[in-house]
Amino acid sequence: SQELEQSPQSLIVQEGKNLTINCTSSKTLYGLYWYKQKYGEGLIFLMMLQKGGEEKSHEKITAKLDEKKQQSSLHITASQPSHAGIYLCGAEIPNAGGTSYGKLTFGQGTILTVHP
Amino acid sequence: DVKVTQSSRYLVKRTGEKVFLECVQDMDHENMFWYRQDPGLGLRLIYFSYDVKMKEKGDIPEGYSVSREKKERFSLILESASTNQTSMYLCASSFLWDRGPRSRGNPYEQYFGPGTRLTVT
Repeated sequence: SQELEQSPQSLIVQEGKNLTINCTSSKTLYGLYWYKQKYGEGLIFLMMLQKGGEEKSHEKITAKLDEKKQQSSLHITASQPSHAGIYLCGAEIPNAGGTSYGKLTFGQGTILTVHP
Repeated sequence: DVKVTQSSRYLVKRTGEKVFLECVQDMDHENMFWYRQDPGLGLRLIYFSYDVKMKEKGDIPEGYSVSREKKERFSLILESASTNQTSMYLCASSFLWDRGPRSRGNPYEQYFGPGTRLTVT
């Protein structure tokens, strides 16, 4: 089973619509990272959240981390075709000893299609 | 500008061949990672290294080995390629974050290469 569950797996929206992608862990996270990937390419960093309740925005994308630091959401307002791609959440999940060694665990990814 | 490069974008190999995937970063990062990406499974960590000559197994190390002789270079080796190793391989690097006042950016943010799409026939 995945340590980090991402939903939905795919999303098709009409241009101009708002959308939300969720990322959930059963464990408390040290840090939560959102990346975007164009098909067949590497990952581009979007935002990092560290503190419970934290919210960050960049252009039309807003990411939030809940107070318990177990769930994050990525919200896109007024989607555009340029937002299309694969969105992945990655989390620093500490092991039983409380360390992570800088490893990130990733969700399955959400494939976003935006129709003009 | 931050840069992680991978030796090939596309690679086609035959079953049983030994395959080398190379990754180079120019950011003086201590940590380097190899992932494979498959539809519906996200990124899965194969191996990582937090220093020269140091390596740690990730979640799916079977069938792979790695080499880190220099800080900037991390190689992934498929000793005997099999068809179930057909995948997208992504390399990443990050710095060893000091939780003190010295900061080189976001803690543990990983910088990714463009990926190598490997097909084993």
